[in-house]
Amino acid sequence: QSVLTQPPSVSAAPGQKVTISCSGSSSNIGNSYVSWYQHLPGTAPKLLIYENNLRPSGIPDRFSGSKSGTSATLGITGLQTGDEADYYCGTWDSSLSAAVFGGGTKLTVL
Amino acid sequence: QVQLEQSGAEVKKPGASVKVSCKASGYTFSKYGISWVRRAPGQGLEWMGWISAYNGNTNYAEKLQGRVTMTTDTSTSTAYMELRRLKSDDTAVYYCARDLGFWRGSAFDSWGQGTLVTVSS
Repeated sequence: QSVLTQPPSVSAAPGQKVTISCSGSSSNIGNSYVSWYQHLPGTAPKLLIYENNLRPSGIPDRFSGSKSGTSATLGITGLQTGDEADYYCGTWDSSLSAAVFGGGTKLTVL
Repeated sequence: QVQLEQSGAEVKKPGASVKVSCKASGYTFSKYGISWVRRAPGQGLEWMGWISAYNGNTNYAEKLQGRVTMTTDTSTSTAYMELRRLKSDDTAVYYCARDLGFWRGSAFDSWGQGTLVTVSS
């Protein structure tokens, strides 16, 4: 049971937009920055968004992040087949004194 | 550019220990912490703990307390993660990651390539 809650799967057609939600509480998302990661098993996870809405260099602006209260959202526009992966939100939980992840969301580009 | 290079795959028997290394390059090692994250088959990402490369302070996930030890060697810019009393459900790919700090939401901006640890009798 993950501390942060994500939908297990989302899907959309190439070229469309998708959003992935991440729900937490006042001890984690409500009190800290949120990051988002893309992970294809067998490869290293990749940081897509940090500090709620900032993109590391090299990450296209098709990827965006937002946070409101105790929830956060990752948006991906102009979907490509190469975007098929597992996506995770993460943050710091001050009650647990631990970094925490969501359970992950599998994105399928139909 | 920042790189984290991990040691190779390991196969261990239940009850044994494993030690995974993570050699950093491309940045000042002591300026960032290193977190360790694992992903078991069919499971999601799991944070294992963090070590400061500045002073060696550690913070371990509660479920691994007593079985995990994280260390660094600043002379070689290398971090290590040792997991003892291995069980079959410790079978996973283990990653090291550069940690931007809990004050920044503990974001991990660079990752090692992963080390597969298989625990099997």
